[in-house]
Amino acid sequence: AQSVSQHNHHVILSEAASLELGCNYSYGGTVNLFWYVQYPGQHLQLLLKYFSGDPLVKGIKGFEAEFIKSKFSFNLRKPSVQWSDTAEYFCAVNAAGSGGYQKVTFGTGTKLQVIP
Amino acid sequence: GAVVSQHPSRVICKSGTSVKIECRSLDFQATTMFWYRQFPKQSLMLMATSNEGSKATYEQGVEKDKFLINHASLTLSTLTVTSAHPEDSSFYICSAPGAGNYGYTFGSGTRLTVV
Repeated sequence: AQSVSQHNHHVILSEAASLELGCNYSYGGTVNLFWYVQYPGQHLQLLLKYFSGDPLVKGIKGFEAEFIKSKFSFNLRKPSVQWSDTAEYFCAVNAAGSGGYQKVTFGTGTKLQVIP
Repeated sequence: GAVVSQHPSRVICKSGTSVKIECRSLDFQATTMFWYRQFPKQSLMLMATSNEGSKATYEQGVEKDKFLINHASLTLSTLTVTSAHPEDSSFYICSAPGAGNYGYTFGSGTRLTVV
């Protein structure tokens, strides 16, 4: 079974600071990787996803993530955060290549607070 | 884009009663629906996977007689919490694979409080 670990539970940054949220996964096979965001009072939205190809994935709102297979990591980055990025961020993984829709396993989430 | 409509958003019920949560896929067919539960300050935990026209698959430790899932059509999946107890109070979220490329669309969630 797969598992996901997010080490930062709560991150506080000033506007314009750079962001990196850590995500490590555990799974013996090929994976698909996701980052989801949940803004206050809203539902989960997909930020970006990695299935194959270029390990550097660009998502919406200036976010990107890099898949490093040797480290089982998929860290989320943004060079300059804005107050509107205040939200909870979830890393997620599912098994790839086995056909059909595979269940997604989520990390515990990281609350990002951006101070104006 | 693909939208999953989840209702109700909040419900308060008395201990011993049952509560039904609905998730509808709008503008696309959801042959599969995932049901998650989120405890405060914890991650989303998968409870079960429902497939249209067949029995749901429950994760280990989830009581299938307590959390009844019905996926009777390609656009509707329901979760019924039967004989609810205060420990069932939680945030329940459904999720369906969107059209095509493994993007999963989430409902807005249901905050269940059992008193």
